Amino acid sequence: EAGVTQSPTHLIKTRGQQATLRCSPISGHTSVYWYQQALGLGLQFLLWYDEGEERNRGNFPPRFSGRQFPNYSSELNVTALELEDSALYLCASSLAKTSGFGGELFFGEGSRLTVL
Amino acid sequence: GENVEQHPSTLSVQEGDSAVIKCTYSDSASNYFPWYKQELGKGPQLIIDIRSNVGEKKDQRIAVTLNKTAKHFSLHITETQPEDSAVYFCAAENTNAGKSTFGDGTTLTVKP
Repeated sequence: EAGVTQSPTHLIKTRGQQATLRCSPISGHTSVYWYQQALGLGLQFLLWYDEGEERNRGNFPPRFSGRQFPNYSSELNVTALELEDSALYLCASSLAKTSGFGGELFFGEGSRLTVL
Repeated sequence: GENVEQHPSTLSVQEGDSAVIKCTYSDSASNYFPWYKQELGKGPQLIIDIRSNVGEKKDQRIAVTLNKTAKHFSLHITETQPEDSAVYFCAAENTNAGKSTFGDGTTLTVKP
């Protein structure tokens, strides 16, 4: 079974440009999460999508946005790029959380965004 | 919102020794506490988790304990091996919020 796949693996942009990152969840998973991991730091929650809708977002400016498609894949868009946006962007998927308790997140290997 | 603190940030042990990583959380509504291992160049991978209705869970050399009253939980690795070297993240999740809040990670080095 294929895991979570992300593209591109690496992306280089200049300040002010826009970046689009893509994620395909594990088959059968309806929830997709985006996390930012700056160099040497922990994972900062960005966005949670489930069944095509944004369910929650972290403390990031509106420049960070995304969407989830009918096939549950997802896209993260970052506009007006700043130097500090340079980071590894991780996508994770999980089964729908209907049990009342949390569940395992399955992470992709990430997309490394470098802003020059 | 939830805040998760993780200690230590780096940990170096000799092969065969035990390693302990501790985390505290702030949101009493958190009810799911996973631990992830991240190897170089890869995404984090779940190694063990515990839910708020359980105080301890063990899986071979790995164990996690949870103290809900004190709002802290710990990861214990016994008989460490060089392949245990990685970055370990704890997390706390309030299912209503639908997100896991991660600690800043612990870089574990196991010396042969």
